[in-house]
Amino acid sequence: DAKTTQPTSMDCAEGRAANLPCNHSTISGNEYVYWYRQIHSQGPQYIIHGLKNNETNEMASLIITEDRKSSTLILPHATLRDTAVYYCIVRTPNFGNEKLTFGTGTRLTIIP
Amino acid sequence: DTEVTQTPKHLVMGMTNKKSLKCEQHMGHRAMYWYKQKAKKPPELMFVYSYEKLSINESVPSRFSPECPNSSLLNLHLHALQPEDSALYLCASRGTLRNTEAFFGQGTRLTVV
Repeated sequence: DAKTTQPTSMDCAEGRAANLPCNHSTISGNEYVYWYRQIHSQGPQYIIHGLKNNETNEMASLIITEDRKSSTLILPHATLRDTAVYYCIVRTPNFGNEKLTFGTGTRLTIIP
Repeated sequence: DTEVTQTPKHLVMGMTNKKSLKCEQHMGHRAMYWYKQKAKKPPELMFVYSYEKLSINESVPSRFSPECPNSSLLNLHLHALQPEDSALYLCASRGTLRNTEAFFGQGTRLTVV
């Protein structure tokens, strides 16, 4: 699975959009970009994933660049409950021996 | 039911003890994972089971022994652990359809004394 690079930490004001970048320049053609978050001492929670096209669900939007070498997770109206560590993961869609490897993640702090 | 249930939530054990962590899911997922997470670090993969067979062992010491007795249950047997093995142990599961996400349990907080 390809390696990802994320900023160590970010702050965002409550109510504003939080934009979390991820670099995955070695991504392969069949690898998907997944985002998870982990609120303090809880298990990671799935947010969203995508291959080429931009995706949106009830939690967030995912913007993937045309060359697929980077992506941005957008939380449109951040709340205090969005304070967490956000992980960008790249993995193949195949079932079986995939590793789902976590990078260092971005610690997002929402400021009142 | 989209839950992965881990028990116990907290465990304190001595270095000579034998204990087991349990993970259960009823989503029909056929891939199950064990991760270890130290404070302020990302989860580190330990083991992957696929269709109840061990498919990945990330060079984990033999004092950690995984077991997958059926498609819903994953155990991690612990023996002769060291204090540095104290961590949050996370279990996850994933379905066989393409692009499905993994679901994580809330973890077992293990302290070795």
